[in-house]
Formats: sequence, structure tokens, C-alpha cells
Amino acid sequence: SQELEQSPQSLIVQEGKNLTINCTSSKTLYGLYWYKQKYGEGLIFLMMLQKGGEEKSHEKITAKLDEKKQQSSLHITASQPSHAGIYLCGAGFYSSASKIIFGSGTRLSIRP
Amino acid sequence: NAGVTQTPKFQVLKTGQSMTLQCAQDMNHNSMYWYRQDPGMGLRLIYYSASEGTTDKGEVPNGYNVSRLNKREFSLRLESAAPSQTSVYFCASSPIAGAAPYEQYFGPGTRLTVT
Repeated sequence: SQELEQSPQSLIVQEGKNLTINCTSSKTLYGLYWYKQKYGEGLIFLMMLQKGGEEKSHEKITAKLDEKKQQSSLHITASQPSHAGIYLCGAGFYSSASKIIFGSGTRLSIRP
Repeated sequence: NAGVTQTPKFQVLKTGQSMTLQCAQDMNHNSMYWYRQDPGMGLRLIYYSASEGTTDKGEVPNGYNVSRLNKREFSLRLESAAPSQTSVYFCASSPIAGAAPYEQYFGPGTRLTVT
């Protein structure tokens, strides 16, 4: 979606290294969602951020939403093979709060 | 508690054929959604139903119709399939629409090929 830009499109990381995926909107977000998708499977919900400056962590994954609520980052510390997959950010906007618009996704590969 | 279920998992159609993709959720969610996923395009919203009895167009509704049969079920129909509709289709549901942001729960997907 042009409303939500996700970068990079793909990423190959050495096992044990850290990485960051970014998600940017030109409009203020109502809610920001991070999902993970394993190849050929459905989406698994990771985290939702709603407040400016909010940060959430789950195991080795941390997501942040900036104060202006227009940019989010997903950071993985000490990557493992289990982190491989496609990461998608999704956003709800005030004009259409019941819908989520998704970014194009980041394909993450972990090199042993 | 199965969550969101979709049938079929795979389908091959010839151009011009019709079919209905079925979706059901057992979480008593109000809102349901249909997306398609194409390489490099992420997920694009086709139609959604904010509550039982209502349906609205998403980003890419052309060539599709939907029916919110009841609170549990939301079907997607292709009346005359075209090769451009080859994609992976996902159904999703969420508890409440509009009042606050809630995550969506996704089904396993239907892989559709139109030849």
C-alpha cells in the first residue's frame, strides 16, 4: 500500500546478529500492528502499538512507535533461524479505524 | 476453539468459472475481512464486514462479492474468475470495529490458481 512503506523488502542476516525493519506512514496512525508469516502459512500476530513513544517487547523482538505516530521499527536481537519469515506491518487510520492497511512485507532469511 | 477456518485450502479454476471461498470464526468476533496476497504487494483488503449485516469495499473489490451469512461466517465469491485473481486469499476477524484498535486473527489461507 502507498499509505504504508515498509523497508527493507528483504534481509539476509547472519545468525546471532541484530536487525531492524522499518514501517513509515505519511499520516498519523490509529494503531500499528506487526505480524509474522512463515512461508506458505497464515499470519501470526506479534504486537500492537497505539500510543506515541510506546515500546513493546516479546522475547527477543522489540517494536517501537515514534512520538508522532507515523513511524515504527521492529528490532530483533541475536537473531535465530526461528526468526526467518515475512514480517508485515499493518496500520489503522483514524479515517477508517476498522480496517488495517498492510505494508508490502520484509522477507527475512537467517544465515547459519 | 479452531479460531479462523477457511475452505478450501487449494483450488484451481479455469477462466470464467465461479467459486465461493468460505470463512468461519468461532471467537464471537464482530468484524471479518477478506484479503489477497500477491508477491511484493503485501496484503490488500478486498471487502470487510464491520458487523453482522454490513459489508464494505476495501482496496481491490472488483471481480468479487461477499456475504456475511451470520456472525460466524463470511464468504467471498468470484463470479467469473480471471487469471489476475490468481493469489492467496486470507480471511481475518477482529473483536470490535472502530472503538479502539484491535488485532486481527487470520485463517491459514486459500491458494487459488486461475488458468
